[in-house]
Amino acid sequence: EAGVAQSPRYKIIEKRQSVAFWCNPISGHATLYWYQQILGQGPKLLIQFQNNGVVDDSQLPKDRFSAERLKGVDSTLKIQPAKLEDSAVYLCASSLDGETGAYNEQFFGPGTRLTVL
Amino acid sequence: AQTVTQSQPEMSVQEAETVTLSCTYDTSESNYYLFWYKQPPSRQMILVIRQEAYKQQNATENRFSVNFQKAAKSFSLKISDSQLGDTAMYFCAPSYSGAGSYQLTFGKGTKLSVIP
Repeated sequence: EAGVAQSPRYKIIEKRQSVAFWCNPISGHATLYWYQQILGQGPKLLIQFQNNGVVDDSQLPKDRFSAERLKGVDSTLKIQPAKLEDSAVYLCASSLDGETGAYNEQFFGPGTRLTVL
Repeated sequence: AQTVTQSQPEMSVQEAETVTLSCTYDTSESNYYLFWYKQPPSRQMILVIRQEAYKQQNATENRFSVNFQKAAKSFSLKISDSQLGDTAMYFCAPSYSGAGSYQLTFGKGTKLSVIP
Protein backbone atom coordinates (compact mmCIF):
# COMPACT_ATOMS: atom_id res chain seq x y z
CA GLU A 1 0.00 0.00 0.00
CA ALA A 2 1.41 3.39 -0.98
CA GLY A 3 1.99 5.86 1.83
CA VAL A 4 1.29 9.56 2.08
CA ALA A 5 3.08 11.40 -0.71
CA GLN A 6 4.34 14.97 -0.49
CA SER A 7 6.15 17.27 -2.87
CA PRO A 8 8.45 18.98 -3.13
CA ARG A 9 10.78 17.51 -0.51
CA TYR A 10 12.78 20.73 -0.22
CA LYS A 11 12.07 24.35 -1.08
CA ILE A 12 14.12 27.50 -0.65
CA ILE A 13 12.51 30.88 -1.23
CA GLU A 14 13.06 34.53 -0.44
CA LYS A 15 10.85 36.22 2.12
CA ARG A 16 7.67 37.73 0.67
CA GLN A 17 7.60 35.10 -2.07
CA SER A 18 4.83 32.53 -2.40
CA VAL A 19 5.12 28.76 -2.07
CA ALA A 20 2.80 25.79 -2.37
CA PHE A 21 3.05 22.27 -1.02
CA TRP A 22 1.17 19.25 -2.30
CA CYS A 23 -0.06 16.17 -0.45
CA ASN A 24 -1.62 12.95 -1.72
CA PRO A 25 -3.06 10.91 1.17
CA ILE A 26 -3.35 7.15 1.40
CA SER A 27 -6.11 5.89 -0.86
CA GLY A 28 -9.43 5.77 0.95
CA HIS A 29 -8.37 8.03 3.81
CA ALA A 30 -11.02 10.69 4.28
CA THR A 31 -9.21 12.79 6.88
CA LEU A 32 -6.15 14.85 6.00
CA TYR A 33 -3.96 16.94 8.29
CA TRP A 34 -1.29 19.57 7.70
CA TYR A 35 1.30 20.12 10.44
CA GLN A 36 4.08 22.66 10.83
CA GLN A 37 7.24 21.39 12.54
CA ILE A 38 9.73 24.10 13.48
CA LEU A 39 13.26 22.88 14.15
CA GLY A 40 13.59 21.49 17.66
CA GLN A 41 9.85 21.28 18.26
CA GLY A 42 7.04 18.80 17.81
CA PRO A 43 4.57 19.13 14.95
CA LYS A 44 1.76 21.63 15.36
CA LEU A 45 -1.56 21.06 13.62
CA LEU A 46 -2.41 23.76 11.10
CA ILE A 47 -5.56 22.42 9.48
CA GLN A 48 -7.66 19.28 9.38
CA PHE A 49 -9.93 18.22 6.51
CA GLN A 50 -12.57 15.55 6.44
CA ASN A 51 -13.25 14.75 2.81
CA ASN A 52 -13.22 18.21 1.23
CA GLY A 53 -14.53 20.09 4.27
CA VAL A 54 -12.48 21.87 6.93
CA VAL A 55 -12.86 20.35 10.41
CA ASP A 56 -10.43 22.59 12.25
CA ASP A 57 -8.26 25.48 11.06
CA SER A 58 -8.00 27.34 14.35
CA GLN A 59 -4.19 27.37 14.28
CA LEU A 60 -3.79 28.31 10.64
CA PRO A 61 -2.45 31.87 10.19
CA LYS A 62 -5.13 32.80 7.73
CA ASP A 63 -3.59 36.13 6.76
CA ARG A 64 -0.86 34.29 4.86
CA PHE A 65 -1.66 30.57 4.86
CA SER A 66 -4.38 28.87 2.86
CA ALA A 67 -5.22 25.26 2.17
CA GLU A 68 -7.66 23.40 0.02
CA ARG A 69 -8.64 19.84 -0.62
CA LEU A 70 -10.56 19.68 -3.84
CA LYS A 71 -12.56 16.53 -4.52
CA GLY A 72 -11.66 15.20 -1.08
CA VAL A 73 -8.37 13.65 -2.17
CA ASP A 74 -5.22 15.71 -2.81
CA SER A 75 -4.50 18.82 -0.83
CA THR A 76 -2.45 21.96 -1.34
CA LEU A 77 -1.07 24.24 1.37
CA LYS A 78 0.00 27.72 0.28
CA ILE A 79 1.94 30.47 1.98
CA GLN A 80 1.71 33.98 0.56
CA PRO A 81 3.75 35.99 1.40
CA ALA A 82 6.33 33.91 3.27
CA LYS A 83 8.13 35.19 6.36
CA LEU A 84 11.42 34.09 7.87
CA GLU A 85 9.57 32.40 10.74
CA ASP A 86 7.77 30.12 8.28
CA SER A 87 10.97 28.11 7.86
CA ALA A 88 9.95 24.66 9.00
CA VAL A 89 9.06 21.17 7.86
CA TYR A 90 5.48 20.87 6.68
CA LEU A 91 4.03 17.44 7.32
CA CYS A 92 0.93 15.96 5.82
CA ALA A 93 -0.90 13.06 7.46
CA SER A 94 -4.03 11.10 6.70
CA SER A 95 -6.37 8.73 8.50
CA LEU A 96 -9.44 6.64 7.77
CA ASP A 97 -12.80 8.23 8.42
CA GLY A 98 -14.17 6.54 11.52
CA GLU A 99 -17.21 7.06 13.66
CA THR A 100 -17.20 10.12 15.85
CA GLY A 101 -15.35 9.21 19.02
CA ALA A 102 -13.41 6.42 17.37
CA TYR A 103 -9.71 6.88 16.78
CA ASN A 104 -8.03 6.15 13.48
CA GLU A 105 -4.25 6.09 13.23
CA GLN A 106 -2.60 8.96 11.44
CA PHE A 107 -0.03 8.08 8.78
CA PHE A 108 2.55 10.72 7.97
CA GLY A 109 4.27 11.73 4.77
CA PRO A 110 8.00 12.51 4.51
CA GLY A 111 7.42 16.25 4.78
CA THR A 112 8.56 19.32 2.86
CA ARG A 113 11.46 21.28 4.32
CA LEU A 114 10.94 24.99 3.67
CA THR A 115 13.73 27.51 4.08
CA VAL A 116 12.83 31.19 3.86
CA LEU A 117 15.81 33.51 3.28
CA ALA B 1 -5.13 24.25 26.31
CA GLN B 2 -3.64 20.78 26.30
CA THR B 3 0.05 20.62 27.24
CA VAL B 4 2.62 17.89 26.80
CA THR B 5 5.97 17.88 28.56
CA GLN B 6 8.94 15.77 27.58
CA SER B 7 11.56 16.73 30.14
CA GLN B 8 14.53 14.99 28.48
CA PRO B 9 15.62 16.89 25.35
CA GLU B 10 18.38 14.37 24.65
CA MET B 11 19.28 10.91 25.85
CA SER B 12 21.78 8.25 24.92
CA VAL B 13 21.89 4.54 25.57
CA GLN B 14 24.32 1.74 24.85
CA GLU B 15 23.25 -0.80 22.29
CA ALA B 16 21.33 -3.70 23.90
CA GLU B 17 20.59 -1.67 27.02
CA THR B 18 17.23 -0.37 28.21
CA VAL B 19 16.15 3.25 28.21
CA THR B 20 13.03 5.05 29.43
CA LEU B 21 11.68 8.27 27.95
CA SER B 22 9.32 10.31 30.07
CA CYS B 23 6.20 12.26 29.20
CA THR B 24 3.61 14.10 31.23
CA TYR B 25 0.50 15.78 29.93
CA ASP B 26 -2.31 17.92 31.17
CA THR B 27 -5.90 17.41 30.17
CA SER B 28 -9.41 17.61 31.53
CA GLU B 29 -10.61 15.06 29.01
CA SER B 30 -11.79 11.71 30.32
CA ASN B 31 -11.48 9.72 27.12
CA TYR B 32 -8.35 9.97 25.06
CA TYR B 33 -5.51 8.04 23.48
CA LEU B 34 -1.77 8.31 24.01
CA PHE B 35 0.90 7.69 21.43
CA TRP B 36 4.61 7.55 21.03
CA TYR B 37 5.88 8.45 17.58
CA LYS B 38 9.39 7.98 16.25
CA GLN B 39 10.96 10.34 13.73
CA PRO B 40 14.28 9.09 12.33
CA PRO B 41 16.65 11.52 10.64
CA SER B 42 14.83 10.92 7.33
CA ARG B 43 11.82 12.68 8.95
CA GLN B 44 9.09 10.08 8.29
CA MET B 45 7.00 9.99 11.45
CA ILE B 46 6.22 6.42 12.50
CA LEU B 47 3.83 5.20 15.18
CA VAL B 48 5.66 3.22 17.86
CA ILE B 49 2.96 2.37 20.36
CA ARG B 50 -0.55 3.34 21.35
CA GLN B 51 -2.45 3.30 24.67
CA GLU B 52 -6.15 3.82 25.26
CA ALA B 53 -6.70 5.89 28.41
CA TYR B 54 -9.59 3.73 29.53
CA LYS B 55 -7.39 0.63 29.62
CA GLN B 56 -5.43 -0.03 32.79
CA GLN B 57 -3.12 -2.55 31.18
CA ASN B 58 0.04 -1.05 29.79
CA ALA B 59 0.56 -1.50 26.07
CA THR B 60 3.51 -3.44 24.72
CA GLU B 61 4.83 -3.79 21.20
CA ASN B 62 7.82 -6.09 20.89
CA ARG B 63 10.75 -4.23 22.52
CA PHE B 64 8.61 -1.18 23.29
CA SER B 65 6.36 -0.83 26.32
CA VAL B 66 4.71 1.99 28.20
CA ASN B 67 4.11 2.84 31.83
CA PHE B 68 0.79 4.64 31.89
CA GLN B 69 -0.17 6.36 35.14
CA LYS B 70 -3.52 8.01 34.47
CA ALA B 71 -3.90 9.77 37.80
CA ALA B 72 -0.42 11.23 37.52
CA LYS B 73 -0.94 11.97 33.80
CA SER B 74 2.31 10.25 33.02
CA PHE B 75 3.09 8.15 29.96
CA SER B 76 6.66 6.88 29.70
CA LEU B 77 8.18 4.75 26.95
CA LYS B 78 10.59 1.94 27.68
CA ILE B 79 12.81 0.58 24.94
CA SER B 80 14.43 -2.73 25.74
CA ASP B 81 17.44 -4.23 23.95
CA SER B 82 18.13 -0.92 22.20
CA GLN B 83 19.23 -1.15 18.60
CA LEU B 84 21.10 1.31 16.38
CA GLY B 85 17.93 1.76 14.34
CA ASP B 86 16.19 3.16 17.40
CA THR B 87 18.22 6.35 17.03
CA ALA B 88 15.59 9.02 16.36
CA MET B 89 13.47 11.79 17.82
CA TYR B 90 10.66 10.40 19.95
CA PHE B 91 7.47 12.35 20.42
CA CYS B 92 4.79 11.79 23.01
CA ALA B 93 1.38 12.68 21.60
CA PRO B 94 -1.90 12.53 23.47
CA SER B 95 -4.93 12.52 21.23
CA TYR B 96 -8.03 14.34 22.29
CA SER B 97 -11.41 14.57 20.69
CA GLY B 98 -11.90 17.90 19.00
CA ALA B 99 -14.42 19.06 16.46
CA GLY B 100 -15.81 15.56 16.27
CA SER B 101 -12.56 13.75 15.61
CA TYR B 102 -9.35 13.02 17.44
CA GLN B 103 -6.35 15.33 17.10
CA LEU B 104 -2.75 14.84 18.14
CA THR B 105 -0.91 17.24 20.45
CA PHE B 106 2.84 16.69 20.28
CA GLY B 107 5.51 17.29 22.89
CA LYS B 108 8.85 18.85 21.96
CA GLY B 109 10.46 15.47 21.64
CA THR B 110 13.42 13.55 23.03
CA LYS B 111 16.43 12.93 20.83
CA LEU B 112 17.62 9.39 21.47
CA SER B 113 21.04 8.23 20.39
CA VAL B 114 21.93 4.55 20.54
CA ILE B 115 25.67 4.10 20.93
CA PRO B 116 27.41 1.01 19.52
